Amino acid sequence: AQSVTQLGSHVSVSEGALVLLRCNYSSSVPPYLFWYVQYPNQGLQLLLKYTTGATLVKGINGFEAEFKKSETSFHLTKPSAHMSDAAEYFCAVSDQGYGQNFVFGPGTRLSVLP
Amino acid sequence: SAVISQKPSRDICQRGTSLTIQCQVDSQVTMMFWYRQQPGQSLTLIATANQGSEATYESGFVIDKFPISRPNLTFSTLTVSNMSPEDSSIYLCSVASSGGQALEQYFGPGTRLTVT
Repeated sequence: AQSVTQLGSHVSVSEGALVLLRCNYSSSVPPYLFWYVQYPNQGLQLLLKYTTGATLVKGINGFEAEFKKSETSFHLTKPSAHMSDAAEYFCAVSDQGYGQNFVFGPGTRLSVLP
Repeated sequence: SAVISQKPSRDICQRGTSLTIQCQVDSQVTMMFWYRQQPGQSLTLIATANQGSEATYESGFVIDKFPISRPNLTFSTLTVSNMSPEDSSIYLCSVASSGGQALEQYFGPGTRLTVT
């Protein structure tokens, strides 16, 4: 069985500061990992994904995440926060990559302060 | 990527009634999914809907409460039956990328349901 934990249900950063959203997973097989963003009153949008290969993956809007197998982590970062980054962020794990068995973390709400 | 639309975008319904939510995709996809997102919470998978077969429901969800149709490769409906206030949630459909190994899911904008 897979699971995802996201440390911090709410993270606040100042505009221009580093964004770090934490995600740890549990999976019995090599995982596929995803970060999704949900803006207010909208659906989920894929930010980035890790399947195989390079462990540092870059996504949209300047976000990137690094897969660390030894730490079972897939933390999301952005060097400089923008007001438009305020949203809910979900980490997800899939053990097959066929769209099935997607397990979502509880989410982290990011606030960006002026 | 796939473009997904849902109808209605939101609704307020009385308890005991039913609501059917439509999900339309701009391309043919094999696998479609229905999720529930309760207020302030993460997504929970309700069922997987594959064209030409019965939907597969996750633990805690039953067909009598959440009947699903999948008449073709671009369309699906989810009905929330005999609603109670506990059914107030956002309902999202998603699709797995088609053509070979599906590696990600694309989501619709969601249907915001309030049951009074």
